[in-house]
Amino acid sequence: NAGVTQTPKFRILKIGQSMTLQCAQDMNHNYMYWYRQDPGMGLKLIYYSVGAGITDKGEVPNGYNVSRSTTEDFPLRLELAAPSQTSVYFCASSWTSGSTDTQYFGPGTRLTVL
Amino acid sequence: QKEVEQNSGPLSVPEGAIASLNCTYSDRVSQSFFWYRQYSGKSPELIMSIYSNGDKEDGRFTAQLNKASQYVSLLIRDSQPSDSATYLCAGGNAGGTSYGKLTFGQGTILTVHP
Repeated sequence: NAGVTQTPKFRILKIGQSMTLQCAQDMNHNYMYWYRQDPGMGLKLIYYSVGAGITDKGEVPNGYNVSRSTTEDFPLRLELAAPSQTSVYFCASSWTSGSTDTQYFGPGTRLTVL
Repeated sequence: QKEVEQNSGPLSVPEGAIASLNCTYSDRVSQSFFWYRQYSGKSPELIMSIYSNGDKEDGRFTAQLNKASQYVSLLIRDSQPSDSATYLCAGGNAGGTSYGKLTFGQGTILTVHP
């Protein structure tokens, strides 16, 4: 049981490039989340999903897109990367609503935009 | 007022002492509360959750919730150097368009020195 996995671990992008951060979970969780964490800060929710085919915006969705075609996978797409998107990105999942249930986090992707 | 606000820290305590971490929250965040621990360069992991007023104990950890004062705390007894980490307080959003989401505080860095 791998839990929540994320790829890549590190990435450097140039301004204007695009990329997809991959996230997968093998716990059959319905809920999945994408957070970003800036240095010395807490986690801010980018997007979340309550099941395959259902996604919704979080607190800081601008510049990102998501899709959820399967229960297991929840990729995050960055279009036209900007230096403000330099951050550590965490994917998480939970069995039921994340406001009442434990969220399990992946190891994170450290992204630098130059 | 921020939705979830933690005492800014950093907090330094000697080994064996009690570490007290505090968090206040706004009306939008009132459903349930979580304390996550995050070691440097790692992802958050859940250590305590609390849903109702009062104390909840788990080993050396005690979470306290006071809904009237909108205050939640985490006490770590017999602190160990291995407890040195950032502690994130999070609250489950009460309803409306924010239902199902967690809001995180900015974190408190705890250092336990031998």
